[in-house]
Amino acid sequence: AQSVTQPDIHITVSEGASLELRCNYSYGATPYLFWYVQSPGQGLQLLLKYFSGDTLVQGIKGFEAEFKRSQSSFNLRKPSVHWSDAAEYFCAVGSSPGGYQKVTFGIGTKLQVIP
Amino acid sequence: DTGVSQNPRHKITKRGQNVTFRCDPISEHNRLYWYRQTLGQGPEFLTYFQNEAQLEKSRLLSDRFSAERPKGSFSTLEIQRTEQGDSAMYLCASRTSGGRGQETQYFGPGTRLLVL
Repeated sequence: AQSVTQPDIHITVSEGASLELRCNYSYGATPYLFWYVQSPGQGLQLLLKYFSGDTLVQGIKGFEAEFKRSQSSFNLRKPSVHWSDAAEYFCAVGSSPGGYQKVTFGIGTKLQVIP
Repeated sequence: DTGVSQNPRHKITKRGQNVTFRCDPISEHNRLYWYRQTLGQGPEFLTYFQNEAQLEKSRLLSDRFSAERPKGSFSTLEIQRTEQGDSAMYLCASRTSGGRGQETQYFGPGTRLLVL
């Protein structure tokens, strides 16, 4: 069965600092990987996704993620965090084909940004 | 507003009652998904429609849960004989098809259910 581990429940970074949120997945075949953001009172928003091809994926809001098959990881990065990035971030893995079916989400990482 | 809409946004019910939630996807989206999110957890996939066909329902939590999309447009999620453990946020999402899954999935704001 597929699974996702987000080892950091809560992360605090200073505004302007770099950010890396960790995600490890377990899936037998080639995974479909996603990062979502959920702000208070807002719906889930897709930041980026990896289905195939280039292992470094660019997303919205200046985020990127790198798929590393050897490490079963899909870490999310941003070079300079803004206060508006404070939110909860979810990594998810989907089964092929289609990607979005039977998606399994991680528990989430809550990001706090301090001035 | 052309996003995914869900109604009601909040629902309080007593244990044992039936509840129904509605999701209106983005108009040209033929794929529709339901998820449940409990406090402190990530969303949990429940079921999936392509047009009016329910292609995946093995993740529905019990036979008390059912979903429909009769005309391939809006969808309803019904929970019969609600239990306190059903208290959660129920999320709907939609997307277009084709392109080997490259299209973005858009989520609605959710319906928050509280079972007393």
